Amino acid sequence: EVQLVESGGGLVQPGGSLRLSCAASGFTFSSYSMNWVRQAPGKGLEWVSYISSRSSTTYYADSVKGRFTISRDNAKNSLYLQMNSLRDEDTAVYYCARDWVAVTGTHWFDPWGQGTLVTVSS
Amino acid sequence: QSVLTQPPSASGTPGQRVTISCSGSSSNIGSNTVNWYQQLPGTAPKLLIHSNNQRPSGVPDRFSGSKSGTSASLAISGLQSEDEADYYCAAWDDSLNGYVFGTGTKVTVL
Repeated sequence: EVQLVESGGGLVQPGGSLRLSCAASGFTFSSYSMNWVRQAPGKGLEWVSYISSRSSTTYYADSVKGRFTISRDNAKNSLYLQMNSLRDEDTAVYYCARDWVAVTGTHWFDPWGQGTLVTVSS
Repeated sequence: QSVLTQPPSASGTPGQRVTISCSGSSSNIGSNTVNWYQQLPGTAPKLLIHSNNQRPSGVPDRFSGSKSGTSASLAISGLQSEDEADYYCAAWDDSLNGYVFGTGTKVTVL
């Protein structure tokens, strides 16, 4: 069974740092690009970051660029999100999601993990 | 800030057909395919439709997607109580070099 399990969320003060992890199982992790998506309480979905299968390409949403870093360890079947200079508006449930890409270049996400809650507050 | 616009809500009685629209621009829907995600209350999002109109295995054929120009739509025919959820459209945006989601539509079964 394909499974993604996030961890590392918690309460952090504004300006602080946190590192999220996503453990993958049930598929060949090293063959797939991965993403982080977040959802603020009561709000919609916001894509955060993308990393290619061999880490050669990364993309970030403008809202996190320069503060967040996506990385992966294919030997450990794990995806990470290092979050620095956290702000109140970063409070959200963070999901990791496997990326699919068609020959046309289009992307979609499937499956998603259950999410981990990050709360930025003093 | 979402760049794809959806109506905030939609509703119908059991058995009815409900349609959700998604409006974008030339850099996202206009040049890439559209995906739809369903988020049941208190759960993670789930892929519902990819590549404009392709249903993953296990998704009922009551759900269908279409795209025209810079807009897309999701139709739910034969609405059921378990379809009460939030629905999001999404697409890659070539200008932003990122994935964009719609504002989300809450579907209520009356």
